[in-house]
Parts: sequence; structure tokens; C-alpha cells
Amino acid sequence: GEDVEQSLFLSVREGDSSVINCTYTDSSSTYLYWYKQEPGAGLQLLTYIFSNMDMKQDQRLTVLLNKKDKHLSLRIADTQTGDSAIYFCAESLAAGNKLTFGGGTRVLVKP
Amino acid sequence: ETGVTQTPRHLVMGMTNKKSLKCEQHLGHNAMYWYKQSAKKPLELMFVYSLEERVENNSVPSRFSPECPNSSHLFLHLHTLQPEDSALYLCASSQELAGAYNEQFFGPGTRLTVL
Repeated sequence: GEDVEQSLFLSVREGDSSVINCTYTDSSSTYLYWYKQEPGAGLQLLTYIFSNMDMKQDQRLTVLLNKKDKHLSLRIADTQTGDSAIYFCAESLAAGNKLTFGGGTRVLVKP
Repeated sequence: ETGVTQTPRHLVMGMTNKKSLKCEQHLGHNAMYWYKQSAKKPLELMFVYSLEERVENNSVPSRFSPECPNSSHLFLHLHTLQPEDSALYLCASSQELAGAYNEQFFGPGTRLTVL
């Protein structure tokens, strides 16, 4: 079955880099996503990566995918206090629209 | 502005009450979703609608009853809920149901507390 796991909590100092990790079990996963949820808000899609890619960079965000180990990471460079939120990893198969989410990683940025 | 709105934002209800959650999307999308986010579990998909037809029901108890009168509106009717149903209920929409790339736009959620 599908399973997506993340660590629960990450604390980082403002200006440092944050790395959020995610592992998944379904080798058929084709699309992998990172969502951000700020307090009181819905989920916001941050970035995504196709399984045939190893890396994707989008401004301060870098996504790394190790398909062999089924490991996905999100690196946030120069972390700011506004980056404090819960970050969800999600995966989906090639067909259909169902997303399987991890439990979320709460990121706390300290000044 | 996410383009997906949900009302109410907060709801407290007793186990014998009947209430409804409303979701509206202003994006011209054809697919809409209900998710449940509780404190101790990952986000769970509840229902999927495509062009007003229900295409997925993830073993959700019958005390949750969805309704999709048109492609812009989605309701979740609640009756005789249990305290363990307390959670954040998120609505989402996407352009199409099936496709190579699925981007779902989420609403802010309704925080439901069942007493």
C-alpha cells in the first residue's frame, strides 16, 4: 500500500538552510509534491517533481529525489520567519488524481 | 487569494445536530475534493467529484454525506457525528480529474469540533 512518512518537527535559525525529508513506499509514484500550510490556512502547493528528475530548483527551494531509496527532500535556503509552517510531502501515481500525504513536518524558524 | 472558499471557518456542534459545510471554487475547475485533517493522522481523502459526479468514496461513514449541485459548489452534510470526527475539513479543486499533472488548489478549511 501507499505510505508517506516525514519527521514531525524541525527547528532552524533564521538565515540558515532548512532540509525537510520524506520517504515513500510506492515505487509507482510518478509525481511528488511539497505543500505548505500556514496557521489557519489551507494547503499551498510549493513545488513538485516528476519521478524522472533528480533535482528541481525554484528560487530558494531545491527538491532532491532519490528514486532508488524512495527519498524526497526539500531544502529552503536562507530560511525566513515567514517560512514557519507545516510542510507536507505528497505523492501520486501517473493516472488519476489521488494524492497520498505524509503527516507533515512542522518547521519553526527562530530569529 | 486561493480561489477556493469554505464556510464556515469554525463550527462547533453536538452529536445530535445536523450541519453542512460549504465549499465554492471560482477557478472554473471540474473536479472537487473533500479531505479530513486530524491531529494524529495524515491528510485523508474523503470524496472526489468530477463534473458533479462522485467518483471516489474512501470508505467514509454515512454520517458524512457529500453533495455537488454544480461544478463550482461542494457541500458536506453532517449528522450524528462523533467526537472523533473533530478535525479540519479541507476542500480542494483541480482543473480536471485525470491527467499527467495534478495541481489541487485548497481552501482554508473548516475547523469542526464535535462535543
